[in-house]
Amino acid sequence: GQQVMQIPQYQHVQEGEDFTTYCNSSTTLSNIQWYKQRPGGHPVFLIQLVKSGEVKKQKRLTFQFGEAKKNSSLHITATQTTDVGTYFCAGNYGGSQGNLIFGKGTKLSVKP
Amino acid sequence: DAGVIQSPRHEVTEMGQEVTLRCKPISGHDYLFWYRQTMMRGLELLIYFNNNVPIDDSGMPEDRFSAKMPNASFSTLKIQPSEPRDSAVYFCASSFSGAANSPLHFGNGTRLTVT
Repeated sequence: GQQVMQIPQYQHVQEGEDFTTYCNSSTTLSNIQWYKQRPGGHPVFLIQLVKSGEVKKQKRLTFQFGEAKKNSSLHITATQTTDVGTYFCAGNYGGSQGNLIFGKGTKLSVKP
Repeated sequence: DAGVIQSPRHEVTEMGQEVTLRCKPISGHDYLFWYRQTMMRGLELLIYFNNNVPIDDSGMPEDRFSAKMPNASFSTLKIQPSEPRDSAVYFCASSFSGAANSPLHFGNGTRLTVT
């Protein structure tokens, strides 16, 4: 079946350092969504990318969708302790949200 | 907007017992999804409904699992009989539309422990 690979699995950073997580699919995606799950919490929708090569920013977060629509990245500039959590990408292979496949997530810890 | 409401938050039960998880989606959302989250397998879609009708249950692990949505504001996921390998966090999510660009709104989840 379809799979979305996400790396790294864990990332430990010092507060103020940058952080990046990557998602890759072997087949073309119709769109990709990003979610954040705080420790003990539930996934919360961050953003959706639809167009080839699309780049979107939310304050210190930058999201990119690859030209071939097979990969995506989330970059956080100057991490803060509030960024702690697990970041999931979810690739959609078209049609409906029933075709959404979640990556395993990248767990980010930030040392103050 | 109260968000997606799930109950109970925690459930501890013994192997062989029946477990029922409950979900109230956001009012006006006509898609409802049940996910299971484990460390090993991540977030897995079990089943989803559109307008109370099950659309795809191919993710349901086996016949011990069943889900219903008797009306637009309520859904249940039942496990009978439960087994230790069913231990996981079960999330319910809803969306305004099932279209590929419609974000999922997750509930707080039910942490199930089967001993």
